[in-house]
Amino acid sequence: SQELEQSPQSLIVQEGKNLTINCTSSKTLYGLYWYKQKYGEGLIFLMMLQKGGEEKSHEKITAKLDEKKQQSSLHITASQPSHAGIYLCGADWGTGTASKLTFGTGTRLQVTL
Amino acid sequence: DGGITQSPKYLFRKEGQNVTLSCEQNLNHDAMYWYRQDPGQGLRLIYYSQIVNDFQKGDIAEGYSVSREKKESFPLTVTSAQKNPTAFYLCASSADRAGANVLTFGAGSRLTVL
Repeated sequence: SQELEQSPQSLIVQEGKNLTINCTSSKTLYGLYWYKQKYGEGLIFLMMLQKGGEEKSHEKITAKLDEKKQQSSLHITASQPSHAGIYLCGADWGTGTASKLTFGTGTRLQVTL
Repeated sequence: DGGITQSPKYLFRKEGQNVTLSCEQNLNHDAMYWYRQDPGQGLRLIYYSQIVNDFQKGDIAEGYSVSREKKESFPLTVTSAQKNPTAFYLCASSADRAGANVLTFGAGSRLTVL
């Protein structure tokens, strides 16, 4: 969906390096969800952001939602091979129901040794 | 442990055949969903159900059918009317309460039409 764009589409980083993935919405977000997917497997929920300026962290992954609630970033510090996979953002534009989530096309992350 | 079980993991089908993908959850979630994932595209919603014996079409329901006879089960049938059925199919569930939009996903089923 052009209403929700992720960048970059793919990323190759060396182990130990930091990286950032972005998710940009054309409309104000009610909620923004980050998921991770190993190739050929289901999605694993990482974090949900709802408030402008909100920031959440889980282990070495930090997600932020900007004050305007139209852009979110996912930052990985000191990347490890276990971080490899596809990261997807999901947008809720105010419906409050999971059935109306719109997903981005994903960012494929490879971590080299 | 609670979770969602999808089966089969891999499925091959000849053109013109219907196939049914299984999805079972033991999370006591009210809502269940079926998504389709294609390379380079985001997840697209096929059908969803918020309560037993009721379901709604998603964005790409044509050529698919579902049933929700039990809270735990939400099978998806890919019919011969689906023109391009080769894809990765994901089942998900959620508590479907206000502010509880987190989806729990199964491991997926990959369907290939020969």
